[in-house]
Amino acid sequence: GALVYQYPRRTICKSGTSMRMECQAVGFQATSVAWYRQSPQKTFELIALSTVNSAIKYEQNFTQEKFPISHPNLSFSSMTVLNAYLEDRGLYLCGARERGRDTQYFGPGTRLLVL
Amino acid sequence: QQQVRQSPQSLTVWEGETAILNCSYENSAFDYFPWYQQFPGEGPALLIAIRSVSDKKEDGRFTIFFNKREKKLSLHITDSQPGDSATYFCAASSSNNRIFFGDGTQLVVKP
Repeated sequence: GALVYQYPRRTICKSGTSMRMECQAVGFQATSVAWYRQSPQKTFELIALSTVNSAIKYEQNFTQEKFPISHPNLSFSSMTVLNAYLEDRGLYLCGARERGRDTQYFGPGTRLLVL
Repeated sequence: QQQVRQSPQSLTVWEGETAILNCSYENSAFDYFPWYQQFPGEGPALLIAIRSVSDKKEDGRFTIFFNKREKKLSLHITDSQPGDSATYFCAASSSNNRIFFGDGTQLVVKP
């Protein structure tokens, strides 16, 4: 079956430092990967949508300078949160989808705490 | 403008009752509507999905009713179990484009 793994599951970083999170798809080809941040109130914010062989599209209020994303192949993507501050806290979710298919599969998320 | 709206924000039912979760959307071009179930500490998991060409999709105790004309859909959970307690997200997309999520309904099933 289709599975999505995320690493780490939980991380704590000091304010102003950076941290990298990873997403791996197993059992299907992740031609597109969407990175979300979920607030404590459970609201989803789309950060960016990455499609292999296409430019990464960032949503308003999110930039490549702050959230650089790498999507080098059909099974792996990573995102870094640069200069993390309190407002960057939340659960970062990776949603992967295969071209031609509607279903987006999610990983368990990386919970970021900033001190 | 929020593309997908859900109601109620929270819902409590007794074990064995039917829970009804509502969803509406704005964009007539949306043609795929997945529902995700999320337990605390986990990522959302696809529960059931429907395409706009259908008006009903059933999978065990979970049924989606879809009204294209009114741009509304609902998720019915029959014979609710305490293990169904979770947050349920309605989502919508069109032709492999980005998926829009509602804000979720937190369901509590009391034994």
